[in-house]
Amino acid sequence: QSVLTQPPSVSGAPGQRVTISCTGSSSNIGAGYDVHWYQQLPGTAPKLLIYGNSIRPSGVPDRFSGSKSGTSASLAITGLQAEDEADYYCQSHDSSLRGSLFGGGTKLTVL
Amino acid sequence: QVQLVESGGGLVKPGGSLRLSCAASGFTLTDFYMSWIRQAPGKGLEWVSYISSSGSTIYFADSVKGRFTISRDNAKNSLYLQMNSLRDEDTAVYYCARDPRYCSGGSCQAVLDHWGQGTLVTVSS
Repeated sequence: QSVLTQPPSVSGAPGQRVTISCTGSSSNIGAGYDVHWYQQLPGTAPKLLIYGNSIRPSGVPDRFSGSKSGTSASLAITGLQAEDEADYYCQSHDSSLRGSLFGGGTKLTVL
Repeated sequence: QVQLVESGGGLVKPGGSLRLSCAASGFTLTDFYMSWIRQAPGKGLEWVSYISSSGSTIYFADSVKGRFTISRDNAKNSLYLQMNSLRDEDTAVYYCARDPRYCSGGSCQAVLDHWGQGTLVTVSS
């Protein structure tokens, strides 16, 4: 079980909005460490989607947004498209582990 | 452009060894932290190891500590992961990734902005 907890799966219809949560604790997100998000399309390597809680790298559509509050972070995807079907991982630093770690991942299904 | 290409994966028996390579292009390896991340079949991502840009800081996950080593060849701009005493549970796709560090509020932490395509390591008798 990961220290950063994500729902195993979420789903939504094309055009809808979905959110993926990443719940941590006082030793990681709650301690002020930032959260990054990665998208892993089927059969491919992960790709940086959001960094610094809410910053999109160049080329990432503004349909993707991130936020952080307290000991949790969220990834929101609006205007859902079939191509968004992928696994999504959050990542942060943990002071107790003295290292970085990933959430368990969330599989997004576009209905 | 930035490119990372892993190689060296394959089938190995339990207790065996394997060395993974990650050839970097489009940037200088020693300017960045570099990481190895693995993903077991059907599972999530696990941070295996990283090396700082200076080489002075090295991290290993508890699951591989004492069995894996990380190194660089600056002349070849390549990163390596030497894996010894391999176990069934080491079976995974291994990715190398670049970490430019994300700094905010006076502290810096890892962020992985470029990943290789991965190389599959299968440990089985």
